Amino acid sequence: DTGVSQDPRHKITKRGQNVTFRCDPISEHNRLYWYRQTLGQGPEFLTYFQNEAQLEKSRLLSDRFSAERPKGSFSTLEIQRTEQGDSAMYLCASSLGWGGQNENTGELFFGEGSRLTVL
Amino acid sequence: GESVGLHLPTLSVQEGDNSIINCAYSNSASDYFIWYKQESGKGPQFIIDIRSNMDKRQGQRVTVLLNKTVKHLSLQIAATQPGDSAVYFCAEIPYNTDKLIFGTGTRLQVFP
Repeated sequence: DTGVSQDPRHKITKRGQNVTFRCDPISEHNRLYWYRQTLGQGPEFLTYFQNEAQLEKSRLLSDRFSAERPKGSFSTLEIQRTEQGDSAMYLCASSLGWGGQNENTGELFFGEGSRLTVL
Repeated sequence: GESVGLHLPTLSVQEGDNSIINCAYSNSASDYFIWYKQESGKGPQFIIDIRSNMDKRQGQRVTVLLNKTVKHLSLQIAATQPGDSAVYFCAEIPYNTDKLIFGTGTRLQVFP
């Protein structure tokens, strides 16, 4: 399977614990995105990377959240001192990028998500 | 703030009928729009896109219409099938950003 893969698919943790999610994008994609989705809502943008550089972070991303993409390939999203409000599906997506002369569609390819439940 | 929203949270159609899902967006500077389909327990899946310099684009059984005057986007699905049952999101990329902003979604239910 050459799509976006995320691990783990499900995580149940107690409030106050730290959790880390991993995303492996499509190999030739230089852009990687993290989104959060709660039931009945559309995905909310958290942050994105161009290669290893983190270019934008949403104000939704509190200081308990940190994302890295150290070698410009896989990425991790860590949540420290989890709270019940962090319970959500965390989606990763990758793309070739968009804009200008580029013929790319800008389509984001999503993984299946990592579902977090904080008790 | 910027937002992309939908008029109908749930749309029920009979198999074989055509479906129309509507979306209103608020950012007139958006350059690019995408429709995604999301089935239960899965990530969003690309359906069709349209750039702001177009007003219509057709794919296989799907058509996207863009009306920039009233900031309205629609997705038309011809001969709707049970496999089309899912939540549909419109999303936009505002000008000069690479951030995809999603709306809240419409659930499409297809009955036999």
